[in-house]
Amino acid sequence: GNSVTQMEGPVTLSEEAFLTINCTYTATGYPSLFWYVQYPGEGLQLLLKATKADDKGSNKGFEATYRKETTSFHLEKGSVQVSDSAVYFCALSVPGSNTGKLIFGQGTTLQVKP
Amino acid sequence: NAGVTQTPKFQVLKTGQSMTLQCAQDMNHEYMSWYRQDPGMGLRLIHYSVGAGITDQGEVPNGYNVSRSTTEDFPLRLLSAAPSQTSVYFCASSSGTGRGEAFFGQGTRLTVV
Repeated sequence: GNSVTQMEGPVTLSEEAFLTINCTYTATGYPSLFWYVQYPGEGLQLLLKATKADDKGSNKGFEATYRKETTSFHLEKGSVQVSDSAVYFCALSVPGSNTGKLIFGQGTTLQVKP
Repeated sequence: NAGVTQTPKFQVLKTGQSMTLQCAQDMNHEYMSWYRQDPGMGLRLIHYSVGAGITDQGEVPNGYNVSRSTTEDFPLRLLSAAPSQTSVYFCASSSGTGRGEAFFGQGTRLTVV
């Protein structure tokens, strides 16, 4: 079946540190891949996406590359800020379903300290 | 620029009570979904709809009911609330053209006592 696995959190970093949040997926077919971010007390917002193998999504200094050979979509940022503290979700769209359905990982909490 | 609007933001129910969580979107999206968010489990799909008059079950549909009479609205009904339904509920919509990219409401935090 289809599933997403994220690294366990919480992740605690100092400001300006390098961030990696690992995400691997299992899918029958060719899903699109997404990173969503949830700030405290808010809903989820799309951070970035990639729709085919080797695509790189980027936004607000965050990047992730769709790696079909390793079935991964790791999130990276070169220098985190306190304002990046949030919960990050990796997700995939169900391949071929054309329903708008998403499958989410369990979420990774990031805390950035000044 | 409303996007996806959910009401209420917070709700406390007694076991056995029923209620409806409202969701409305103003982007003319075909696809709408309801998810629940529980600690350590990410978001799990409850029900979804691919257009007015068409709904289907997701991963955790038991205890919930939905209907979609218009493109804009997709209410979620709890038929007889149970403590296991204590969660944060999110409604989402998407056009389908973004290959699954979804827009989320602010969420409803529901506590069943």
